[in-house]
Amino acid sequence: TQLLEQSPQFLSIQEGENLTVYCNSSSVFSSLQWYRQEPGEGPVLLVTVVTGGEVKKLKRLTFQFGDARKDSSLHITAAQPGDTGLYLCAGEGGAQKLVFGQGTRLTINP
Amino acid sequence: KAGVTQTPRYLIKTRGQQVTLSCSPISGHRSVSWYQQTPGQGLQFLFEYFSETQRNKGNFPGRFSGRQFSNSRSEMNVSTLELGDSALYLCASSPIPGQGRGYTFGSGTRLTVV
Repeated sequence: TQLLEQSPQFLSIQEGENLTVYCNSSSVFSSLQWYRQEPGEGPVLLVTVVTGGEVKKLKRLTFQFGDARKDSSLHITAAQPGDTGLYLCAGEGGAQKLVFGQGTRLTINP
Repeated sequence: KAGVTQTPRYLIKTRGQQVTLSCSPISGHRSVSWYQQTPGQGLQFLFEYFSETQRNKGNFPGRFSGRQFSNSRSEMNVSTLELGDSALYLCASSPIPGQGRGYTFGSGTRLTVV
């Protein structure tokens, strides 16, 4: 069974600070996807990374895929209150379905 | 273009009843997958359909079933509802699964079993 360990589960920081969310597994994934979910809505895709070592940037968000394609990280620079939400990592493996981490509930305080 | 549409948005059912949820994918998307989201277990994969065929199934009891129609619309059915089935049920669509392009999720159906 493929598992994704996401940490931290909860994070509350002040506006302007930096943060990193980690997603780790012992399994290899063909792609690693990051989603953001607002209350009462479905997850919205932020980015997919498919190549080991790949780095993608989305404004103040930086996503990295581990060299072995088993782990990923999301780094947010100068966090803003609008970044508040539930962030989910999801690995796509051989069975062509998504395995989700437990999520990181991020709160940015003004 | 229109997103993934799930109906109904909210549903309240009694234990022992059955329920059918509907999902209309983005036009042109042939893959539909279903997930259950609960506070304790997070998002868990239920099943995936592609061109009317179930390609993968998660670790859920046989009370959970689904199907896909020729127009790619999908339904999932839960029979003999239990209190633990209360959850947000999410549907996701993609053009072709496993291509690393990501999925588009609907807003979900919030099912409450009383």
